[in-house]
Amino acid sequence: GAVVSQHPSRVICKSGTSVKIECRSLDFQATTMFWYRQFPKQSLMLMATSNEGSKATYEQGVEKDKFLINHASLTLSTLTVTSAHPEDSSFYICSATPGLAGGPNNEQFFGPGTRLTVL
Amino acid sequence: ILNVEQSPQSLHVQEGDSTNFTCSFPSSNFYALHWYRWETAKSPEALFVMTLNGDEKKKGRISATLNTKEGYSYLYIKGSQPEDSATYLCAFLGGNEKLTFGTGTRLTIIP
Repeated sequence: GAVVSQHPSRVICKSGTSVKIECRSLDFQATTMFWYRQFPKQSLMLMATSNEGSKATYEQGVEKDKFLINHASLTLSTLTVTSAHPEDSSFYICSATPGLAGGPNNEQFFGPGTRLTVL
Repeated sequence: ILNVEQSPQSLHVQEGDSTNFTCSFPSSNFYALHWYRWETAKSPEALFVMTLNGDEKKKGRISATLNTKEGYSYLYIKGSQPEDSATYLCAFLGGNEKLTFGTGTRLTIIP
């Protein structure tokens, strides 16, 4: 149980295009979903937290107009990288939790991640 | 910025040997410490969520201890097997209710 899928696993796009990444909880309802980014040799860095039906909360330094997050249902959140540039090339990974964010025993269930390369 | 550090960065261990590695984290505003195992091309998999000082958790050959007063956790693997090869991540959950991850320990088991 507690499987999270992420699609696509890999995407290469031209500079200036927009890319949408989907994160789905397959066998549970995800009250909260998280989006992380990982640059080479660095740790997973939280970009934003989204709760179903409300606006995402972005971390400091993450542009909300560039990284659009939609959490329209309890099983789906999407991250759209708008007008992507080479510096947006990174590994993006989502996670989901069935409970309220921040509960100490709320392990997060991760997707397998998306490798984005912007040419 | 919260500092969560893991050491060593990478480790090669002979099959059958036991090993351990460290996660250090802030000793204030502690809610929980998470351990994940991340195999290449797969999703990170939760191993443990630890909340109490002195806690010790075990799952098969893998165990973890927690010292919240001094801000460290150890992960132990007994009798390493090739399937244990993975990156092991720890993540600190503090008062801001967000996980802060370390950079991971990359473990390779040599058959």
